[in-house]
Amino acid sequence: KAGVTQTPRYLIKTRGQQVTLSCSPISGHRSVSWYQQTPGQGLQFLFEYFSETQRNKGNFPGRFSGRQFSNSRSEMNVSTLELGDSALYLCASSLVPSGLEETQYFGPGTRLLVL
Amino acid sequence: KQEVTQIPAALSVPEGENLVLNCSFTDSAIYNLQWFRQDPGKGLTSLLLIQSSQREQTSGRLNASLDKSSGRSTLYIAASQPGDSATYLCAVMDSNYQLIWGAGTKLIIKP
Repeated sequence: KAGVTQTPRYLIKTRGQQVTLSCSPISGHRSVSWYQQTPGQGLQFLFEYFSETQRNKGNFPGRFSGRQFSNSRSEMNVSTLELGDSALYLCASSLVPSGLEETQYFGPGTRLLVL
Repeated sequence: KQEVTQIPAALSVPEGENLVLNCSFTDSAIYNLQWFRQDPGKGLTSLLLIQSSQREQTSGRLNASLDKSSGRSTLYIAASQPGDSATYLCAVMDSNYQLIWGAGTKLIIKP
């Protein structure tokens, strides 16, 4: 069974631009969560989607948004990029809403550098 | 506000030793506690998940305990191997169904 895939793996953008990251969950998984990892703040929860609906949202500004498609693939978008958005963005999938009964499976991440 | 702390931040031990990694959290209202490992340039791999009603979980050479009342968890690694070298992260699922993460313990096992 293929794992969680994320594209692209690396991305360089400049301040003010916007970016879209993609995540394909493990086949059959309906829940997708997004996390941001930085050296200063560590891992932080962004949001979770389940069956195309945003189920939960972390404490991030509205510049960060996401969506989930009917095939459970998910995208996250960051508009008006800031230098502080440079981070590793991790996507995780699970069968049921995240982490309550079983763990999540993580992708390799997309490393975003904002110049 | 839930806060998760991991001590030590880094640990280097010779191969074959048993070791303990520590995790503490400030709010005992959690649904579960999870331990992950992260290898450089890679995503996270789940190691163990302990539900709030459980006291411990075991997987191979790994054993994780949970004391919810004192806000503590330990990850015990027996007979460490160089392949165990990684960053180990602890996370708790809080009352808002969000995973709150510790900063991690970077473990180096010397051959």
